Amino acid sequence: KAGVTQTPRYLIKTRGQQVTLSCSPISGHRSVSWYQQTPGQGLQFLFEYFSETQRNKGNFPGRFSGRQFSNSRSEMNVSTLELGDSALYLCASSLVSSGNTIYFGEGSWLTVV
Amino acid sequence: DAKTTQPPSMDCAEGRAANLPCNHSTISGNEYVYWYRQIHSQGPQYIIHGLKNNETNEMASLIITEDRKSSTLILPHATLRDTAVYYCIVRENTGNQFYFGTGTSLTVIP
Repeated sequence: KAGVTQTPRYLIKTRGQQVTLSCSPISGHRSVSWYQQTPGQGLQFLFEYFSETQRNKGNFPGRFSGRQFSNSRSEMNVSTLELGDSALYLCASSLVSSGNTIYFGEGSWLTVV
Repeated sequence: DAKTTQPPSMDCAEGRAANLPCNHSTISGNEYVYWYRQIHSQGPQYIIHGLKNNETNEMASLIITEDRKSSTLILPHATLRDTAVYYCIVRENTGNQFYFGTGTSLTVIP
């Protein structure tokens, strides 16, 4: 059974640009959550989607957004990129929206220059 | 916010058991303890979780104290590939947000 798949794995963007990252959950999983990992702040929860609805949101500015499609695949978008947005962005999936183990993908490395 | 406290680093000799402690003194009665590890900035890997009873799977054992205020993850025969950052997480009951602390950096020494 395939794991969580994230694309792209690596990307470089310029300040002010926007970026879209994609996540395909494990087959049958309907919840997708996103995390940001930086050396200074560690792993931080961004938001969670279940049945195409955002269920929970972490403490991030509105430049960070996401969505989920009917096939449970998810995308996150960061607009007006700042240098501090350089990070490993991790997607995790689980069967339902609460009470289940989440499984992480390998992440997307974003560098903002 | 993370509800757990872990030592920042530990060493373990290859082939020996690695015992990683975690304090979670404010855990609520129906909150689970989860353990993940992250190898060299790959995605975190699920290891094990438990509520009250001790748990064992093919990767590790989890020992939770009777008062549930602390737990220990045991890797029975550590290998070099077990070198990683290990995160102990108290999982809130609503939603799928996991609050990661700083974890324990385990180094397995040949």
